[in-house]
Amino acid sequence: AQRVTQPEKLLSVFKGAPVELKCNYSYSGSPELFWYVQYSRQRLQLLLRHISRESIKGFTADLNKGETSFHLKKPFAQEEDSAMYYCALGPSQGGSEKLVFGKGTKLTVNP
Amino acid sequence: GAGVSQSPRYKVTKRGQDVALRCDPISGHVSLYWYRQALGQGPEFLTYFNYEAQQDKSGLPNDRFSAERPEGSISTLTIQRTEQRDSAMYRCASSFGTYNEQFFGPGTRLTVL
Repeated sequence: AQRVTQPEKLLSVFKGAPVELKCNYSYSGSPELFWYVQYSRQRLQLLLRHISRESIKGFTADLNKGETSFHLKKPFAQEEDSAMYYCALGPSQGGSEKLVFGKGTKLTVNP
Repeated sequence: GAGVSQSPRYKVTKRGQDVALRCDPISGHVSLYWYRQALGQGPEFLTYFNYEAQQDKSGLPNDRFSAERPEGSISTLTIQRTEQRDSAMYRCASSFGTYNEQFFGPGTRLTVL
């Protein structure tokens, strides 16, 4: 069964500090992992996906198949990064088309 | 350009009533998805369409829930005989194709009294 675990419900850091949002997944096939973000009063939007290997708004995430993890990192957090972050699994070629989401982590960046 | 739109944005209904939630995808998007998000949880898959064909309805919780997309564009999610446990945010997303980025609408907040 596909499962995504985000162990931290809340994460609070100070501006300029590094931040890491944890995500672990369970999937027997070849996974495709995503991070979605929801800023206050905005809709859910894609932040990054592992196949693109991009850095978006200073965030990066590396897929570690050995540890089944896809942690989101940023070296210097900004106040505008405060938001709800969701890690998601799928869809992948030949697999299910649906996205399986974690429960989310609320990030607060304090001034 | 216009993104995914959903209506109504808020719906309050009494237990036992039927509700219909509408999703208007981005023009040209082939795939359309419905998710439900309870408070404190992540979005949970309900069902998905390619054009007008319902490809997967494995996430629909029971037979009170149904969805259609008759002309391959606008979709309606219908909940019959609503119950309090149906209260949640219902999110719609669309994508250019099955394996492309899913763009989400603003959601419909359903409250069943």
